[in-house]
Parts: sequence; structure tokens; C-alpha cells
Amino acid sequence: DTAVSQTPKYLVTQMGNDKSIKCEQNLGHDTMYWYKQDSKKFLKIMFSYNNKELIINETVPNRFSPKSPDKAHLNLHINSLELGDSAVYFCASSLTSGNEQFFGPGTRLTVL
Amino acid sequence: DAKTTQPPSMDCAEGRAANLPCNHSTISGNEYVYWYRQIHSQGPQYIIHGLKNNETNEMASLIITEDRKSSTLILPHATLRDTAVYYCIVRVAQGSGYALNFGKGTSLLVTP
Repeated sequence: DTAVSQTPKYLVTQMGNDKSIKCEQNLGHDTMYWYKQDSKKFLKIMFSYNNKELIINETVPNRFSPKSPDKAHLNLHINSLELGDSAVYFCASSLTSGNEQFFGPGTRLTVL
Repeated sequence: DAKTTQPPSMDCAEGRAANLPCNHSTISGNEYVYWYRQIHSQGPQYIIHGLKNNETNEMASLIITEDRKSSTLILPHATLRDTAVYYCIVRVAQGSGYALNFGKGTSLLVTP
């Protein structure tokens, strides 16, 4: 009964490929987030959805496209992967935007 | 954005109190201070948050100065499992929601 789960945990792929990371929360929260943690360990917000509506959209390449089919799921699709996309991607959720966030275990993406 | 400044690293003996300082001198009157921690390679974990008053929960205490320009997170009896990077964050309005902008944090090492 994991609160925020992500799949896959590890993802190794070639440059130019398209890949997706899935996130699900069973907390009944309205708001979900995607963060990227790079090799220098900086954790930066990428997107946030509230009840399937995009409310935060940071300056990320448009190769990154979030999709929220329902408020319990927020998936991240990445087109034309580049070396610089290698990072750990964390999904999080909160009751509403602004409340404390619960993070998933992360997905380590390696682009070769 | 209200920025935070934390010492890069601290040590604490097991069983002693760990006091982690944070400066946020440009904080606005309605911005909350949040503390999270990240244990090696795991997703960040919420600890505590506050606006003006001191706060305490089962994990820690948060002391905020009267002028709100600094705060201290107190782990009353540190254990080895408290070894982690601790982030002091000022929650800011972003887009149509609220964002947590993680800085470099303080790497706390609890020693036997």
C-alpha cells in the first residue's frame, strides 16, 4: 500500500528514444508534481497538476509532456531523449497545492 | 523568490539534539517555511512547516525568530537514521499554485 509509486525505478535508454514514467498516488490528493534531481543533487520542480489541470509549468523543453488521465495519476513522457536528461525524476502529491508533499521513490533515468 | 541559506554540512552525536539553522531574510509576510529531508537516494520526506509560531510534531521542532528572517529545525534526540540532507524551503506562489524550490540543503551526519 505504497502512497506514491513510480514505474519504472530504473530506465536506461539510448539518445533519441521516447520514454514514459508513470506515477500513481493512493492518498486521495488533488495535486501532483514532477521534479528533476540532476547529478549535482539540485531538486527542481517541473510541473504540477491540480485535479488534472496544469497549474505549474516551469521552463522545461517541450520534449517533456506531462499527462494526467485522472487526479490519481500523473505520467511524464519524454521525446527525443538527450544525454542531459539523465537524472532522477521524482513524483509527489499533496492534498491541495501548498500542502505538504509526499514523494515517490524516484525513477533513475540514464540516457546513453 | 525568498531564498534560503543553510550551512552545507553539520555533525551531531547520536542521542544529542541536532539544531539546523536556516536564514531566509527576504521572506514575505505570508510565506511559509517548510523543512524536508532526503535520505540517500530516497524521495524527500516532509518534516514540519510554520509561518510565525514555533511548531512541534513527532519528528521535530521548528523555531522561527520573531522577525521571521531565520529559523532552526531541532531534532531532539538524533539517531543514525537521521543522517540525511535537510532542506529549508520558503513556499512561494508559482503559476496557479505553490512551489517548493529546493536549495542545496544541509548534509547532517549523525555519528555513534
